[in-house]
Amino acid sequence: AQSVTQLGSHVSVSEGALVLLRCNYSSSVPPYLFWYVQYPNQGLQLLLKYTTGATLVKGINGFEAEFKKSETSFHLTKPSAHMSDAAEYFCAVMNTDKLIFGTGTRLQVFP
Amino acid sequence: EAGVTQFPSHSVIEKGQTVTLRCDPISGHDNLYWYRRVMGKEIKFLLHFVKESKQDESGMPNNRFLAERTGGTYSTLKVQPAELEDSGVYFCASSQLGRFLDTEAFFGQGTRLTVV
Repeated sequence: AQSVTQLGSHVSVSEGALVLLRCNYSSSVPPYLFWYVQYPNQGLQLLLKYTTGATLVKGINGFEAEFKKSETSFHLTKPSAHMSDAAEYFCAVMNTDKLIFGTGTRLQVFP
Repeated sequence: EAGVTQFPSHSVIEKGQTVTLRCDPISGHDNLYWYRRVMGKEIKFLLHFVKESKQDESGMPNNRFLAERTGGTYSTLKVQPAELEDSGVYFCASSQLGRFLDTEAFFGQGTRLTVV
């Protein structure tokens, strides 16, 4: 069975600091991995996805994630946090035509 | 272009009552998905429609949940009778037909259901 684990339900950073949100996956087949973001009072929005090819994936709003097979990880990073990045972030893996989500990480950004 | 719309945004009902959630997908999207997030846990898949047909309903928790998509447009999710453990946020998503990886699923804001 495929699954993802997000380490840390809450992450706090200062504005301008590096953002690192962790996601590890479990999959018996090559995984297709996603990061979604939910801003307050909005639906989930796709940040980026990894299918095949380049292991460093760039997404919207300056976010990127790197697929590391040896570490079974797909961590999300952003070099410099902005106040507008405060939201909840979800890692997910594709299973046939549906998504298996992690438990989410709420990002707080302090001025 | 309107996004995925869900009604109501919030619903508080008593245990044993019936509630119907509605999802209006983006026009032209034949794929429609329902997901649920219970008590800050992971978002879990409930079911997948392709047009009016149920493609996958493996995530439906029990027979108190009934999903329909008449005419392949909007969808409803009925919970009857509601139990306390049904509380959570119900998300709907839609996407165009095609390979899953080639299309993007757009999510609604969700319906927060509280059963008391």
